[in-house]
Amino acid sequence: DSGVTQTPKHLITATGQRVTLRCSPRSGDLSVYWYQQSLDQGLQFLIQYYNGEERAKGNILERFSAQQFPDLHSELNLSSLELGDSALYFCASRMGGGELFFGEGSRLTVL
Amino acid sequence: QKEVEQDPGPLSVPEGAIVSLNCTYSNSAFQYFMWYRQYSRKGPELLMYTYSSGNKEDGRFTAQVDKSSKYISLFIRDSQPSDSATYLCAMSLTGGGNKLTFGTGTQLKVEL
Repeated sequence: DSGVTQTPKHLITATGQRVTLRCSPRSGDLSVYWYQQSLDQGLQFLIQYYNGEERAKGNILERFSAQQFPDLHSELNLSSLELGDSALYFCASRMGGGELFFGEGSRLTVL
Repeated sequence: QKEVEQDPGPLSVPEGAIVSLNCTYSNSAFQYFMWYRQYSRKGPELLMYTYSSGNKEDGRFTAQVDKSSKYISLFIRDSQPSDSATYLCAMSLTGGGNKLTFGTGTQLKVEL
C-alpha cells in the first residue's frame, strides 16, 4: 500500500458528461501529480500541485482541470468527455524531492 | 516517434531465468533514469533509480544506463513468478517527478 488513496476505482459514464476523480496523498506529502495511462500512450503527466498551488502542466486538455485543497487532497475534473478519454488516471504524491508514490488509479470508461 | 521506446512484449520466461528489459530514448538531455514495476490493477512502484551513465545493483535487479547509445536496461536475475508484472522505464531532465517521460511498459510473465 503506497498510502495514496484514489476514488472511485472504476467509473463508467457517457460521452459529454463530467466526472471528478479524487486523490488523498500520503500523510505529509505536499506535492500531488496526476497522470493518465492509456494502452498506446503509456503514462502521460497531466499536472502537478504543491501545497495548493499549480506547479507544472503537462499534456492536460483544456476540458480537464484540477485543484488541490487546503487539506492537500486533490481533485481532477474531466468534462465534455469523449471516448478517447477512457483511461486509467493515477495520482501520485511525494515529499520534497523524494520518491514518487502512486495510488492504484481510477479506471474511467466513456461509452 | 516517441521520446522513449519500449518493447511492449509480452515476454514469457521460465522461473530462474535472467530477464533483460530495455528502453531507448531520443532526448540526450535526460539525466535521471528509473524503472517502475506495475502489477495488474495497481499503480507503478519505483524499483530502481540511477543518475547519468553506469550500473546500479539492488539484490536481484541491475539497472544499466548507456547515455552514448541512449539505451537503458534492467536485468532481473533468478526471476520468480512474483516478478510477473509490467515494467516501465522512465526518465527526466531533472530529479522532479513532474517531468517524467515514461515508456509504454513491457509485460513480463515468469512461469513455473
